[in-house]
Amino acid sequence: KNEVEQSPQNLTAQEGEFITINCSYSVGISALHWLQQHPGGGIVSLFMLSSGKKKHGRLIATINIQEKHSSLHITASHPRDSAVYICAVMKTSYDKVIFGPGTSLSVIP
Amino acid sequence: EPEVTQTPSHQVTQMGQEVILRCVPISNHLYFYWYRQILGQKVEFLVSFYNNEISEKSEIFDDQFSVERPDGSNFTLKIRSTKLEDSAMYFCASITGTSNEQFFGPGTRLTVL
Repeated sequence: KNEVEQSPQNLTAQEGEFITINCSYSVGISALHWLQQHPGGGIVSLFMLSSGKKKHGRLIATINIQEKHSSLHITASHPRDSAVYICAVMKTSYDKVIFGPGTSLSVIP
Repeated sequence: EPEVTQTPSHQVTQMGQEVILRCVPISNHLYFYWYRQILGQKVEFLVSFYNNEISEKSEIFDDQFSVERPDGSNFTLKIRSTKLEDSAMYFCASITGTSNEQFFGPGTRLTVL
């Protein structure tokens, strides 16, 4: 069983829609990352969370440690948001990152 | 803003050849990592490195792989005798040691023919 799961696997949205990507994990963690990967492959860190909620521009990330669940929300989605969004966890400080399978988002004008 | 850099961006090699992938982590970072992503699959951990030695390695990181920090800046991944299945995107990452946030390099795409 994968330690990090994401849903949905693929998502198509109309420009302007509110988007939610979910992540669940089965291990104890010290931190959770949300990452973005564009075609061409580079990985960009969006958020690192250990509790609560973080907001950056149109992106909001939340985490519920008790339920082992995190969500990434995108408000007023735009075609430039089209990318793969990856949830990844660290079990302990300075540990390796365990990656989820990613959610492929396509935002249509 | 400081960033992790990797060279080359794309490497094409023949099966059986040795390759060295290079990474320059952010200068005050202490922990270093290599990951790989086979096309269409999720990113997988290869190895972590701290205080000039391997701190953890995955099952993928067999005797064909080695890592080195030859000087104060570079962090290299060597594959001694490449196989077709080594074709992947290889990412380097580093963290400071006071924060858990990993900073990823842009990746090296390795193609083994």
